[in-house]
Amino acid sequence: DTGVSQDPRHKITKRGQNVTFRCDPISEHNRLYWYRQTLGQGPEFLTYFQNEAQLEKSRLLSDRFSAERPKGSFSTLEIQRTEQGDSAMYLCASSLASIVETQYFGPGTRLLVL
Amino acid sequence: GQQLNQSPQSMFIQEGEDVSMNCTSSSIFNTWLWYKQDPGEGPVLLIALYKAGELTSNGRLTAQFGITRKDSFLNISASIPSDVGIYFCAGPTTSGTYKYIFGTGTRLKVLA
Repeated sequence: DTGVSQDPRHKITKRGQNVTFRCDPISEHNRLYWYRQTLGQGPEFLTYFQNEAQLEKSRLLSDRFSAERPKGSFSTLEIQRTEQGDSAMYLCASSLASIVETQYFGPGTRLLVL
Repeated sequence: GQQLNQSPQSMFIQEGEDVSMNCTSSSIFNTWLWYKQDPGEGPVLLIALYKAGELTSNGRLTAQFGITRKDSFLNISASIPSDVGIYFCAGPTTSGTYKYIFGTGTRLKVLA
């Protein structure tokens, strides 16, 4: 399977705990994105990387959130001191940088903070 | 800011019927994408449109890029039960090609 993969698919944690999610993009894609999706809504942009550089962060990404893409391949999204409001589906997407580009999404990690 | 409004919000149809949904914006988009999302899964790209007036098909799905560049339409012909899901339109914001915004979604339910 050469699509975008995410791990874990589901995570249940207690409030205050730290969690980390991983995304493996399509191998030749140099752009990687993180989105958050809450129930009944469309995905909302959080941040994106071009190769290993994090080029933009949304205001939705509080200081408790950090994302990395150390070698320009896979990426991790960490949430520190989780809050109940962090409960959502976290989606990763990847694309090949070009004038017209298409983002391909992974299956998502569903986070539930108790 | 830019927003995408989808209509209808939800619909129930009989298997075999054709379905139409649309997506509108107050601002111009240079690319329109249609995704389908099943429960608990990520969005799957159905059709991408890159030029005003473009009409593109993918099997039973047909999508059109409106000539005003402020709207797009998706049609599904002869619906089947596996068409159930949420359909999102999306497009890159004026900030750059990398940042998509998504519509509010159209939830489709097919009655067998």
